[in-house]
Amino acid sequence: QVQLVESGGGLVKPGGSLRLSCAASGFNFSDFYMSWIRQAPGKGLEWVSYISNSGSSVYYADSVKGRFTISRDNAENSLYMQMDSLRAEDTAVYYCARETYSSGYPRLDYWGQGTLVTVSS
Amino acid sequence: EIVLSQSPGTLSLSPGERATLSCRASQSVSSSFLAWYQQKPGQSPRLLIYGASSRATGIPDRFSGSGSGTDFTLTISRLEPEDFAVYSCQQYTRSSTWTFGQGTKVEI
Repeated sequence: QVQLVESGGGLVKPGGSLRLSCAASGFNFSDFYMSWIRQAPGKGLEWVSYISNSGSSVYYADSVKGRFTISRDNAENSLYMQMDSLRAEDTAVYYCARETYSSGYPRLDYWGQGTLVTVSS
Repeated sequence: EIVLSQSPGTLSLSPGERATLSCRASQSVSSSFLAWYQQKPGQSPRLLIYGASSRATGIPDRFSGSGSGTDFTLTISRLEPEDFAVYSCQQYTRSSTWTFGQGTKVEI
């Protein structure tokens, strides 16, 4: 079955860096666009970034543009998020999610369990 | 940028009752691009509805979605104990990004 497992979260000081990973299994990873979505404590969901199946197209939310870099390794079935210049407001649980576009209806049909990033001095 | 506003913020109901959740967009949204998610405490979101009215795989038929333009609705016909959760609407934009509503909590 489809599985997405995030890792790499932790405590980091403001201005620091962190690299998140998402290991995918149970589907042909290279066929699917992937996204990162985050959720600050007690808050709603915020889309952060997406990457096309080949990696040739990437998009970012304005809140992270210029600081975060999404990438993927289709040979390793893995998605990544390099997070630099971290701020307190980046504190959140970060989820990776698979995008599906069948029948012309885009949706995020599978989500990982999330990894917590805490930015604090 | 299209903003999704959900109401009410919290819905207090009992098992067996009907729940009606609203998602209003600041501009017209294609029905094809509107989805609903359920999230329980400590869990990741789960896709319920896509294309405004299509149920995702394994979702019980007591969940239904409707609407068009700027007004969309998620209805739970008869609440089961496991349905008490937070529900978020989401839209996919033409610039290939996603936006979410702030969520509606359905509580006992």
